[in-house]
Amino acid sequence: GAVVSQHPSRVICKSGTSVKIECRSLDFQATTMFWYRQFPKKSLMLMATSNEGSKATYEQGVEKDKFLINHASLTLSTLTVTSAHPEDSSFYICSASGFEAFFGQGTRLTVV
Amino acid sequence: AQSVTQLGSHVSVSEGALVLLRCNYSSSVPPYLFWYVQYPNQGLQLLLKYTTGATLVKGINGFEAEFKKSETSFHLTKPSAHMSDAAEYFCAVSVGRDDKIIFGKGTRLHILP
Repeated sequence: GAVVSQHPSRVICKSGTSVKIECRSLDFQATTMFWYRQFPKKSLMLMATSNEGSKATYEQGVEKDKFLINHASLTLSTLTVTSAHPEDSSFYICSASGFEAFFGQGTRLTVV
Repeated sequence: AQSVTQLGSHVSVSEGALVLLRCNYSSSVPPYLFWYVQYPNQGLQLLLKYTTGATLVKGINGFEAEFKKSETSFHLTKPSAHMSDAAEYFCAVSVGRDDKIIFGKGTRLHILP
């Protein structure tokens, strides 16, 4: 089956810095990718829909300026958490092509 | 808008017993339905999905689910639980290709020896 690779799997950053998470579709082209956030022992909350070549569509309540999404090619979407704070610590998961919904392995972000 | 309700945040069954995880959905158009499993600190693995056609869907690891439109349900079952089935299970709904997937709150499955 199709593979979505997410990198890094774990990252620790200092408060106030920015961190970039990559989501790649390895063997197919994904015009649409999705970014989810999962709090401990909670479900996955959709943050935004990333569309190749256009602006991302953010869900209500998600700060566009804090969570920057870029989908520059058909195989790569990136999520940048800007000016990270401890409350941004979470598990972030991307997926590509909603119908088949291939998910990355997730990124554990810890802001210290 | 679509939504998913999973009944029971925690379910415990004995090893070898029937597993039943309940999921009800809401959708204004014919839905696509999914069940995913998540092990600690890992991503999601697709167990099975319903799109169209046969309402009884068989998935991996012996799981299956039945789409019941009249009950707006998509319950997940497995005849005999194994210790390795202990994990978090998510029911999810979508309305089409490249559409966002909306997840239920999840059900933690515990397997008792």
